[in-house]
Amino acid sequence: GAGVSQSPRYKVAKRGQDVALRCDPISGHVSLFWYQQALGQGPEFLTYFQNEAQLDKSGLPSDRFFAERPEGSVSTLKIQRTQQEDSAVYLCASSSHPGLYEQYFGPGTRLTVT
Amino acid sequence: AQSVTQLDSQVPVFEEAPVELRCNYSSSVSVYLFWYVQYPNQGLQLLLKYLSGSTLVKGINGFEAEFNKSQTSFHLRKPSVHISDTAEYFCAVPHTGGFKTIFGAGTRLFVKA
Repeated sequence: GAGVSQSPRYKVAKRGQDVALRCDPISGHVSLFWYQQALGQGPEFLTYFQNEAQLDKSGLPSDRFFAERPEGSVSTLKIQRTQQEDSAVYLCASSSHPGLYEQYFGPGTRLTVT
Repeated sequence: AQSVTQLDSQVPVFEEAPVELRCNYSSSVSVYLFWYVQYPNQGLQLLLKYLSGSTLVKGINGFEAEFNKSQTSFHLRKPSVHISDTAEYFCAVPHTGGFKTIFGAGTRLFVKA
């Protein structure tokens, strides 16, 4: 079956531009996570949705980062006024259970801010 | 606060040799523990998980891990590696009291012919 998909796979943005990254989770999955993975590091948690409710956004690094999942399926991570330190791979993961269970990851979006 | 430490950033090994990738965690409460693998330009894939019960957990691709509560470790092992096992391996623990999962910095496994 279809896994988690993310688009675009690669994004180059000039500093100061806004970007929107899309995640299509596995159909029916309740939980959706966003992570930021810097080069050579493990994923760092950004935010968590259970259906359409954003239950944890403690990992969002600043108010320039915003995520939504309005209908409880597709999610968008938006970064406003991008900075060079935002350059990273952004990973989306979904899970069939609420809370902390096995997660299925997408391939990620590599964002480069120039 | 919970944390995950992967003691080796890179592990080179010859094909068909055994390998152990080390992971230590800190937690004052009961834990779930996971190992994920990331192949180049791909997302993470679950290798195995410990939720409860037997401390020896078997996963996909011949990998296994042992939960050791007294040493707060969850080391990953494979008795004979293949070239195709070359990848980045991440140990992870869910954070209690929230929804985040904490990942280690990763161990890059290089399997040489």
